[in-house]
Amino acid sequence: DAMVIQNPRYQVTQFGKPVTLSCSQTLNHNVMYWYQQKSSQAPKLLFHYYDKDFNNEADTPDNFQSRRPNTSFCFLDIRSPGLGDAAMYLCATSIQPRGNNQPQHFGDGTRLSIL
Amino acid sequence: SQQGEEDPQALSIQEGENATMNCSYKTSINNLQWYRQNSGRGLVHLILIRSNEREKHSGRLRVTLDTSKKSSSLLITASRAADTASYFCATTLNFGNEKLTFGTGTRLTIIP
Repeated sequence: DAMVIQNPRYQVTQFGKPVTLSCSQTLNHNVMYWYQQKSSQAPKLLFHYYDKDFNNEADTPDNFQSRRPNTSFCFLDIRSPGLGDAAMYLCATSIQPRGNNQPQHFGDGTRLSIL
Repeated sequence: SQQGEEDPQALSIQEGENATMNCSYKTSINNLQWYRQNSGRGLVHLILIRSNEREKHSGRLRVTLDTSKKSSSLLITASRAADTASYFCATTLNFGNEKLTFGTGTRLTIIP
């Protein structure tokens, strides 16, 4: 089945130690998104790729970076995780011809814990 | 902020009853979407309603949109235990904008 896969489901890292979360998709969607979701809160968009174009949200900390080496894969890099970065990180995809908003398809997320 | 607000924040009903959740937003939108999130999982798209539509149905789901009041409602009829989840509305701001802004969510619990 076509889907969005996030690995790992659970990630534990140490304060200040770089960590990378990964997302892959078999949907061949042109847009990929990264969200941060803290407990009992709405998902908050960090950034997204429209094809190869990177779009950063104004309030996304510099500590967060992303890479999209090809259509299928997207990575979230946290350079120096702080305690406040503990959260669920959700990857999503959508197919977006310009001017035609379509639903997003989500992976099951990676829950990041900081020790 | 465009972020929508949902009402109520939490809702508990008996299995078989209908559940209604409301969403309000602040600025003009292109469309509004509803998503479900089971505990510890990703979000699942339920239904999309465009700004020129007033009502949409999908199975046991009914969504209404009132652009004059900047509000939407999600009705789940004949609720089941499996409907227990958080429900989020999400809006896209304008034509061609591929970003969603999520509401605060309603936590729905169905009591068997």
